[in-house]
Amino acid sequence: AQSVTQPDIHITVSEGASLELRCNYSYGATPYLFWYVQSPGQGLQLLLKYFSGDTLVQGIKGFEAEFKRSQSSFNLRKPSVHWSDAAEYFCASKAAGNKLTFGGGTRVLVKP
Amino acid sequence: DAGITQSPRHKVTETGTPVTLRCHQTENHRYMYWYRQDPGHGLRLIHYSYGVKDTDKGEVSDGYSVSRSKTEDFLLTLESATSSQTSVYFCAISEFGGEGGVFEAFFGQGTRLTVV
Repeated sequence: AQSVTQPDIHITVSEGASLELRCNYSYGATPYLFWYVQSPGQGLQLLLKYFSGDTLVQGIKGFEAEFKRSQSSFNLRKPSVHWSDAAEYFCASKAAGNKLTFGGGTRVLVKP
Repeated sequence: DAGITQSPRHKVTETGTPVTLRCHQTENHRYMYWYRQDPGHGLRLIHYSYGVKDTDKGEVSDGYSVSRSKTEDFLLTLESATSSQTSVYFCAISEFGGEGGVFEAFFGQGTRLTVV
């Protein structure tokens, strides 16, 4: 069965520092991968997606992610974090039948 | 923003009562989903639909049923609510198209359900 793992439940980062969120997937076929962000009390917003091609994907809000097939990873990065980036981040992958499977999420806290 | 409306947004109900949550879309997307969100579990798929009257179970479907009689509406019913079903419920929609055959899923604002 397909699964998505986000090893870090919480990450605290200082404003202006870099951020990297980890995501590992298990899926036999070509994966379709996504990162979503959820601000408190809100729904989920898509940051970026990967289907094929260039393994470095650019998204909104200055985020990027890199697909590494050899490591079954799709890590999210941002070079310089802003206070408004405090939120919960979810990695997801597309399963057969168009289902999206989500990881457990990583909550990001930004210190001033 | 995609046109997805969930109703109600908040509900408190008693154990043992039936509850129906509604998801309404104006995008004419074929695929619709119900997820529940609980701390430490991320989003878990309850049921999804791939067309009118076509539905399938997700990973946490026990105690839930769904119906889709029209493209735009996807109803989630808790047949006899239990405290373990206290959660935030999200509806999402998706459609084939674009590179890779799938767009992203668009999410509603969520319904906070409390079972007392």
